Amino acid sequence: KAGVTQTPRYLIKTRGQQVTLSCSPISGHRSVSWYQQTPGQGLQFLFEYFSETQRNKGNFPGRFSGRQFSNSRSEMNVSTLELGDSALYLCASSLGTGITEAFFGQGTRLTVV
Amino acid sequence: GENVEQHPSTLSVQEGDSAVIKCTYSDSASNYFPWYKQELGKRPQLIIDIRSNVGEKKDQRIAVTLNKTAKHFSLHITETQPEDSAVYFCAASGYSSASKIIFGSGTRLSIRP
Repeated sequence: KAGVTQTPRYLIKTRGQQVTLSCSPISGHRSVSWYQQTPGQGLQFLFEYFSETQRNKGNFPGRFSGRQFSNSRSEMNVSTLELGDSALYLCASSLGTGITEAFFGQGTRLTVV
Repeated sequence: GENVEQHPSTLSVQEGDSAVIKCTYSDSASNYFPWYKQELGKRPQLIIDIRSNVGEKKDQRIAVTLNKTAKHFSLHITETQPEDSAVYFCAASGYSSASKIIFGSGTRLSIRP
């Protein structure tokens, strides 16, 4: 069974640009959550998508957005990049119903210069 | 708002000794408490979890305790080994699924040979 796949693994962008990250969940999982990991702030919840709908949202500005497709794959978009957006972005997939384990992808390392 | 506090931030123990990491949470609705281990450059991986209707759970050398009244939960690792060296995150989720996870700030555990 394939795990959670995130692409790309590494990205370098310039301030002001936008970026799109992709996450393919484990087959059969309908929930995809996104997290930002930085040395200073730790692991912070961005948002969660379930059956193509945003179900939960963290405390991030509107520059951070996402969507989910009918095959449960999810994308996260960050517009008008700032230096502080440099981080490891992790997605996690789970069944989405009941309390079940969340499986993390390897992450996308975003560097904003 | 939802918050999970974790202590200590760093912990160094002699190989073979025990390690204890403690967390507190603020949201009374939290009912699922997973613990993740993250090795350098790798994704977080679930090592053990506990639900609010259980006070203690054990899996080989790892145990977790939960005190819902005090909103405390702890991770205990016995007979520590070099491969236990990693960053450990406690977390809490207060939803019907584990899709929105609030993480503690992490504990860097080092095992001295």
